[in-house]
Amino acid sequence: DTGVSQNPRHKITKRGQNVTFRCDPISEHNRLYWYRQTLGQGPEFLTYFQNEAQLEKSRLLSDRFSAERPKGSFSTLEIQRTEQGDSAMYLCASSFGDRGLIGNEQFFGPGTRLTVL
Amino acid sequence: ELKVEQNPLFLSMQEGKNYTIYCNYSTTSDRLYWYRQDPGKSLESLFVLLSNGAVKQEGRLMASLDTKARLSTLHITAAVHDLSATYFCAVDMSGANSKLTFGKGITLSVRP
Repeated sequence: DTGVSQNPRHKITKRGQNVTFRCDPISEHNRLYWYRQTLGQGPEFLTYFQNEAQLEKSRLLSDRFSAERPKGSFSTLEIQRTEQGDSAMYLCASSFGDRGLIGNEQFFGPGTRLTVL
Repeated sequence: ELKVEQNPLFLSMQEGKNYTIYCNYSTTSDRLYWYRQDPGKSLESLFVLLSNGAVKQEGRLMASLDTKARLSTLHITAAVHDLSATYFCAVDMSGANSKLTFGKGITLSVRP
């Protein structure tokens, strides 16, 4: 399977615990994105990387959230001291980046559903 | 404020009939994407629209983009049950070919 993969698919945790999610992008893609989706809403941008550089972070990404992409391949998203409001689906996407006339089509992984009790 | 608005948010469609759904956005962009999401699943890319007047068709779905009106339409021809899902439009308003701003999605339900 050459698509975007995410692990774990589901995570249940207690408030105050730390959690870490992993995303493996499509191997040829140099851009990797994290989005968050809550019930009945569209995905909201959190942050993105070009290779190993984190180029933009949303103001939604509080200081409890940190993302890394150390070797420009897989990425991790860590949430410290989780709160009930963090419960959501966390989606990872990857793309080639700017392809001019081809655009920047992003391909999404299956997501990690986080439930904070 | 950057906004992407979709309407209606829910549409009950009768099998065999034609429908159009809309996506409006608040600032200049010539890059718009349509995605489909089935319940509990991730997003599947449907269309990439990259210029004013762009039209793409796949099966019973046809998407178009009017950048001057900041409007995209998704036309459904002869709806079938398999088209039941939530459809999102997403606009690249970053100017940097990066993050997407999504609408809330339109949930389509096809009834016999």
